[in-house]
Amino acid sequence: DAKTTQPNSMESNEEEPVHLPCNHSTISGTDYIHWYRQLPSQGPEYVIHGLTSNVNNRMASLAIAEDRKSSTLILHRATLRDAAVYYCILRASSGSARQLTFGSGTQLTVLP
Amino acid sequence: NAGVTQTPKFQVLKTGQSMTLQCAQDMNHEYMSWYRQDPGMGLRLIHYSVGAGITDQGEVPNGYNVSRSTTEDFPLRLLSAAPSQTSVYFCASSRTRTGELFFGEGSRLTVL
Repeated sequence: DAKTTQPNSMESNEEEPVHLPCNHSTISGTDYIHWYRQLPSQGPEYVIHGLTSNVNNRMASLAIAEDRKSSTLILHRATLRDAAVYYCILRASSGSARQLTFGSGTQLTVLP
Repeated sequence: NAGVTQTPKFQVLKTGQSMTLQCAQDMNHEYMSWYRQDPGMGLRLIHYSVGAGITDQGEVPNGYNVSRSTTEDFPLRLLSAAPSQTSVYFCASSRTRTGELFFGEGSRLTVL
């Protein structure tokens, strides 16, 4: 199974952009890159996902490297409500549907 | 629209007891999965299903059974609870195997 690697923690100032990195050097051509975030005592919440091209939605942007071995979740203006654990996972479109475990994610702290 | 509903939200068991965690979704999603999350850790995949009648093991399947007799329901059974199964359990579903995952609110299980 392909693995993802994320920093354990990051800090950002409120209203500044945040770039959360994820490495997935063993990604296969059919793996979709997903990002979720989890607030304390809640279930994970979907943020964004993509395959090859960069993606934008109301919550964030996803920048995918040309070789797809890494990606970056971009929060354009961090707010205190964005403080959460952010997970990067891969979901395969073919072969086994067993997806990558979520790992420990990146704890984002937003400073006022 | 209820989304993914998990019951019970809290449960205390004694070692050796059995129980079933219920998960239901009303979005006609084909893919459903169960995760466990231990304190300070990410989510680990227990079992998953790509459709009614089809289930497969995830990363940590030992001690758990699942079945998928309908599209809507995906119960998780603990046959003989052990203290090592104390955890928070999350159920998730998605329309496709690569699409957005929707999570339930979680079920907190304590095994004494």
